[in-house]
Amino acid sequence: GEDVEQSLFLSVREGDSSVINCTYTDSSSTYLYWYKQEPGAGLQLLTYIFSNMDMKQDQRLTVLLNKKDKHLSLRIADTQTGDSAIYFCAELSTSGTYKYIFGTGTRLKVLA
Amino acid sequence: EAQVTQNPRYLITVTGKKLTVTCSQNMNHEYMSWYRQDPGLGLRQIYYSMNVEVTDKGDVPEGYKVSRKEKRNFPLILESPSPNQTSLYFCASSWTDRGRGGYTFGSGTRLTVV
Repeated sequence: GEDVEQSLFLSVREGDSSVINCTYTDSSSTYLYWYKQEPGAGLQLLTYIFSNMDMKQDQRLTVLLNKKDKHLSLRIADTQTGDSAIYFCAELSTSGTYKYIFGTGTRLKVLA
Repeated sequence: EAQVTQNPRYLITVTGKKLTVTCSQNMNHEYMSWYRQDPGLGLRQIYYSMNVEVTDKGDVPEGYKVSRKEKRNFPLILESPSPNQTSLYFCASSWTDRGRGGYTFGSGTRLTVV
């Protein structure tokens, strides 16, 4: 069935790059997303990528998509303490009915 | 400011006492959805609505009802809450069908059923 997997935790030092990884199972997914959830808040859309793209860059964020391995990553350059949050990967599965599937989230902790 | 507003933010209730969580968006979005977030399970869709008077079940609809009488509002109704409905609930809306272009989320409602 469809599933999106992420590691639970990541800790980095301020100023370093963070790389958050995600694997998905539905090869028919056409859209893949990264959301950020800060404490006590809802999810905030950071960026998304179409499945016909390999990479998307937006300021400090770089998304890489390896469609063959069904692997998505989010790189945050020059990580700041304000980047500490939970990051969710999500796919829009188009097999059968359209279905939005979220991963369980990666908690990023940035150490000063 | 474009936003999705949920109320209340926190709610403690007793088993069986009907409750409604309200959701309102000011972006004229047609697509709205309710999710619940539980530890280790990510977000699971409860119900969604494609437009006024058009609603459908998500992955975990049991024990919930929704209505969409106006475009901006999409309340979530628990007719007889049970402890397994203790969760963090999010309402979300999107300018695209099924959230293709991404969702705008509310701040969440933390519900405890005792």
